Formats: sequence, C-alpha cells, structure tokens
Amino acid sequence: GENVEQHPSTLSVQEGDSAVIKCTYSDSASNYFPWYKQELGKRPQLIIDIRSNVGEKKDQRIAVTLNKTAKHFSLHITETQPEDSAVYFCAAKAGNMLTFGGGTRLMVKP
Amino acid sequence: DAGITQSPRHKVTETGTPVTLRCHQTENHRYMYWYRQDPGHGLRLIHYSYGVKDTDKGEVSDGYSVSRSKTEDFLLTLESATSSQTSVYFCAISEAFTGELFFGEGSRLTVL
Repeated sequence: GENVEQHPSTLSVQEGDSAVIKCTYSDSASNYFPWYKQELGKRPQLIIDIRSNVGEKKDQRIAVTLNKTAKHFSLHITETQPEDSAVYFCAAKAGNMLTFGGGTRLMVKP
Repeated sequence: DAGITQSPRHKVTETGTPVTLRCHQTENHRYMYWYRQDPGHGLRLIHYSYGVKDTDKGEVSDGYSVSRSKTEDFLLTLESATSSQTSVYFCAISEAFTGELFFGEGSRLTVL
C-alpha cells in the first residue's frame, strides 16, 4: 500500500519567516494530495489540496508544490503568524485509500 | 462546521470489554470514515463506508468492525478492547470520494 513520509516532525520559526514541510509518497498511482491543519485539541481541517495534473497551487500565504517524477510534495507558508502554530498533515490518495503522513508540529514564535 | 457528531467524546474501559463509537452526520454525505490518531502515526484509516450497508477495510482494521444501517450513522465497534486500541478516534465524512474530509471532534478512548 501507499506509504507517506513527512519531514520535519517539528519545526520552529520566528513570526514573519517562511515554513516548509515536505512529504514523499511511494505509490505512483496517487493522484490527490491534501494538507490538513490540526490546532491543539481540535479536529483536522483541510487547508489546501492539489491534484496530480497540477504542479503548484496557491491560496494567500500558503502554497503547495507537487513533483510527480520525484514523488514528493511540499507545503509552503509565508509570513508566518502565531495562529499558524498547529500540527500539519500531508496525505496522498491512491485507489480507495487516503494515507496520511505522521504530522509536523509547527511552532511560530512571536 | 459540517454537521457531524461523535459519541461518546470520552470513554475509559477495561481490556476485554466491547466498545461502540457512534458517528452521526446531518449532511447526507455518501462517504463516511473512521480514523485513529496516535502520536507519530498521523491519522490511520480503520474502515470506511461508501453507502448504506457498503463498507470496506482500511489499513488498520484488525480488531474493529463497522456498520452503517442508515445514511447518517456509522458505528465503530471494538468487540474486545485491548490496550493497543487506546487512541483518539475521528469520524470523517465526504461528499465525493476524492474530496475534502470533514472530521468530527474526536472520541478519546482509554483501555486499561
């Protein structure tokens, strides 16, 4: 089955800096790559997603890039703010299964 | 927030006892899922449903069963709970198979 590796597991940045989280996947049939944000004690919520026919997608301060050849995709957050502090999960979908990475705890220091 | 509720939200039980978690949605979404969340493992799919009485296994289905007798309800049962099933369980729904998942608030289960 699909295997999704996510790095780093923790990331600390200063407010205003950029943050990058990277994921790799194993199944070349994966065609849908969402990112979820989970604030402490809350439920995960979708923040952005990308499909395999697109290389990059942006939504205000967040962007996701996809390299199908290398089988990796990344989340970029610019001008980080304290409210960006959360755990972020990448995921990849192949067939019927959406497989999540292990998560990245992002801490934005004011 | 999508209309999805889980019950109970917290449960402490003993090894060997049966446990049922309930997920209820008011969105009329076709797809429903049960995930478990453990530190370092992200969210792992236990079972999912693509319609009434239509269910299938996920990546960590051993020790769990599910039932969906109505569109709005998806039950997760641990026939004989073990300590390794201590976790936070999330129900999720989606309208399309490749679409946004809307998660419930989670059910924290502790098996002593």
